[in-house]
Amino acid sequence: QLQLQESGPGLVKPSETLSLTCTVSGGSISSSSYYWGWIRQPPGKGLEWIGSLYYSGSTYYNPSLKSRVTISVDTSKNQFSLKVSSVTAADTAVYFCARHSRLKDAFDIWGQGTLVTVSS
Amino acid sequence: DIQMTQSPSTLSASVGDRVTITCRASQSISSWLAWYQQKPGIAPKFLIYNTSSLQSGVPSRFSGSGSGTEFTLTISSLQPDDFATYYCHHYNSYSWTFGQGTKVEIK
Repeated sequence: QLQLQESGPGLVKPSETLSLTCTVSGGSISSSSYYWGWIRQPPGKGLEWIGSLYYSGSTYYNPSLKSRVTISVDTSKNQFSLKVSSVTAADTAVYFCARHSRLKDAFDIWGQGTLVTVSS
Repeated sequence: DIQMTQSPSTLSASVGDRVTITCRASQSISSWLAWYQQKPGIAPKFLIYNTSSLQSGVPSRFSGSGSGTEFTLTISSLQPDDFATYYCHHYNSYSWTFGQGTKVEIK
């Protein structure tokens, strides 16, 4: 059974860069059937898509975050990563990684999520 | 960009009630709509894809319908485990969009 697990610092200072990694286990990230995405949820609010990538390295970003976000893949480690630069308190959220099925056009498997707090 | 708007934002209902949540798209999206259920502190659970197809393991009391710009998620007989927040979601041309969510709470 494929599983995703987010990892990274839970506390980031304002103006610094938030960095998270999603490790995929029980399956290969190098599958043509899926995209891999990052979604976040500020406390008490809804889901916001941050960006997605294909195993080949092609990336797609939410226009509202594009200038600060970088998503990359390391197929040798079966991982993909998120970087958000110049963070502020508004970037405080639970960050989820998820698999998007190209067949179903939906995020069908999610990581458990990790809370990142931006504070000095 | 396509915007997804859910209504209502909050819905109060009792066990056994029939519940309907609406998701409207700012332009026609054919039938490419998914639904998720989320409980506090837990990742969203994938329920429905392609408007009306149930993900494996999802109870048959959940159903989806619609086309174009208006879609609905219906729970035919609300169960205690169904009190949660529900999100619609659309994907098209490398853009992923969520609705703002509908919280189903106990009346």
